[in-house]
Amino acid sequence: ETGVTQTPRHLVMGMTNKKSLKCEQHLGHNAMYWYKQSAKKPLELMFVYSLEERVENNSVPSRFSPECPNSSHLFLHLHTLQPEDSALYLCASSYNLYNSPLHFGNGTRLTVT
Amino acid sequence: KQEVTQIPAALSVPEGENLVLNCSFTDSAIYNLQWFRQDPGKGLTSLLLIQSSQREQTSGRLNASLDKSSGRSTLYIAASQPGDSATYLCAAPHAGNMLTFGGGTRLMVKP
Repeated sequence: ETGVTQTPRHLVMGMTNKKSLKCEQHLGHNAMYWYKQSAKKPLELMFVYSLEERVENNSVPSRFSPECPNSSHLFLHLHTLQPEDSALYLCASSYNLYNSPLHFGNGTRLTVT
Repeated sequence: KQEVTQIPAALSVPEGENLVLNCSFTDSAIYNLQWFRQDPGKGLTSLLLIQSSQREQTSGRLNASLDKSSGRSTLYIAASQPGDSATYLCAAPHAGNMLTFGGGTRLMVKP
């Protein structure tokens, strides 16, 4: 079991659906991240939370809504997505925001039909 | 704005070869540089983190170097094995730990 767990592993949703991605870390870290990995593009940072406060929002469309209820859990709420949002969504955590390695989960493979 | 480039995009070598993966970044005001490995369909595994004050970092058969002044890092893999086949990603921060990733080098080590 990795220190960062993401569920579900796969998700297929229609453009009008609402769904949520979940991430949980068991490492005692204080920072959590959402990254998007699309085919043939580098990983893109979406959101960063430190001690449950959002510290970065990288011009992400409002159809993606993050939530960090505590330092161990991170959610990404999805609604009215587009087919181009199909990608691998990766969650990561680190001990702090400076000079600590990121630990990634195995991701959620999202397909929007 | 940080930009990270990795060369080559893909590499195929026979087992046992020593190899070098290259990474360049545009903003040298960084706290650290991180190397990751990604297996197909999986998340990223942290390999090495080099602090800005360090010149290199080693873990087993892996050695990563950092030259901030030239905006370059290299990952050296000694005596490559088929199990090393994966995509290797370099990442440099644009602020704190907010990482900008390169496009990766897809490595295939043939038995």
